[in-house]
Amino acid sequence: SQTIHQWPATLVQPVGSPLSLECTVEGTSNPNLYWYRQAAGRGLQLLFYSVGIGQISSEVPQNLSASRPQDRQFILSSKKLLLSDSGFYLCAWSLGGAGGELFFGEGSRLTVL
Amino acid sequence: RKEVEQDPGPFNVPEGATVAFNCTYSNSASQSFFWYRQDCRKEPKLLMSVYSSGNEDGRFTAQLNRASQYISLLIRDSKLSDSATYLCVVVDYKLSFGAGTTVTVRA
Repeated sequence: SQTIHQWPATLVQPVGSPLSLECTVEGTSNPNLYWYRQAAGRGLQLLFYSVGIGQISSEVPQNLSASRPQDRQFILSSKKLLLSDSGFYLCAWSLGGAGGELFFGEGSRLTVL
Repeated sequence: RKEVEQDPGPFNVPEGATVAFNCTYSNSASQSFFWYRQDCRKEPKLLMSVYSSGNEDGRFTAQLNRASQYISLLIRDSKLSDSATYLCVVVDYKLSFGAGTTVTVRA
């Protein structure tokens, strides 16, 4: 069966510090991978998606970047965090095609102070 | 206009009650629709897909109204465990999430 792991679960970081969130998927090959952010009381905002190794699409201009160094690994990074980067970050995967079900990781709660 | 809009609620209902809420979307070319459930501080999980003809899954009924561009979710015989935030998802060339409708079922 397929599983998705995301870490760390909780993170408190000072403004200006770097960030690295990691996500791995097991039990499937060539999944579509996504990073979402959910701010308090707001919907999920798609940050990045990837349809293959090294292929990253960014939905919104921001202080973050993403990389996919391996087929089932997706990393969200920042060189210098801003207060506005605080939120609940969710990694997700799906099979090919935009109409497929999304399977989410357990999320990473980031607080930037 | 937002791509997907939901009444944020909260809907506070007693156990056993029926609760229903809608989700409107702006792109008439949207092809697929889903309802996800998100418990507090947890990840969203798929509740059910929404088919053109409407569909039921136990106490949950989902419907699609293409003419008015909305989908709905109805929960019958509410249980305490139904307390959650319900997110609608609309798919055209990408997935768009609503901000969610919060339902609280009280004893």
